[in-house]
Amino acid sequence: SQKIEQNSEALNIQEGKTATLTCNYTNYSPAYLQWYRQDPGRGPVFLLLIRENEKEKRKERLKVTFDTTLKQSLFHITASQPADSATYLCALGPASGGSYIPTFGRGTSLIVHP
Amino acid sequence: EADIYQTPRYLVIGTGKKITLECSQTMGHDKMYWYQQDPGMELHLIHYSYGVNSTEKGDLSSESTVSRIRTEHFPLTLESARPSHTSQYLCASSEGGTGAYEQYFGPGTRLTVT
Repeated sequence: SQKIEQNSEALNIQEGKTATLTCNYTNYSPAYLQWYRQDPGRGPVFLLLIRENEKEKRKERLKVTFDTTLKQSLFHITASQPADSATYLCALGPASGGSYIPTFGRGTSLIVHP
Repeated sequence: EADIYQTPRYLVIGTGKKITLECSQTMGHDKMYWYQQDPGMELHLIHYSYGVNSTEKGDLSSESTVSRIRTEHFPLTLESARPSHTSQYLCASSEGGTGAYEQYFGPGTRLTVT
């Protein structure tokens, strides 16, 4: 069955360092991958989208890579700040059957210490 | 800030009650979605709509029902609430057409059934 794996353990890093979060998937051939940020008690907020024919995407301090051979996406936040502390979700689409509705992973919690 | 609203934000209700969770968006999006999310877990799609008078069940079996009479409004109804319905319910919308589109999420409704 299709599976999306994100590290369930929280990532703790010091302010100013680069945070790297991982999204692995199996039994899936996604046409695109999205990253969202979710704060406690709130809905997710879209950050970046990368398509299967793209290797890398950047937006300000954020960078996403997409390796369809390794079936993995890496999400980087450079010069991290305490305000970056949140849970980061990856979402893959399309789901089986061709629907373009993305399927979400559980997310990884990032804690940036001042 | 996305223009998508959910009410109520929090609801505590007894078993057997009928409840309706409201969701409205002012972006004119054709596609709308309902997700259920338990703490630390994935978002599970329970219903979606591609436009007025279009509703479909999602991947997660749910005893809830939805309606889409107006583009901007996508309420979710539980005819008889049970403790197993206790969860966070997130409404989202996205642009229409095929392809990958970011989803805009509301703030969520935290439902507790006693």
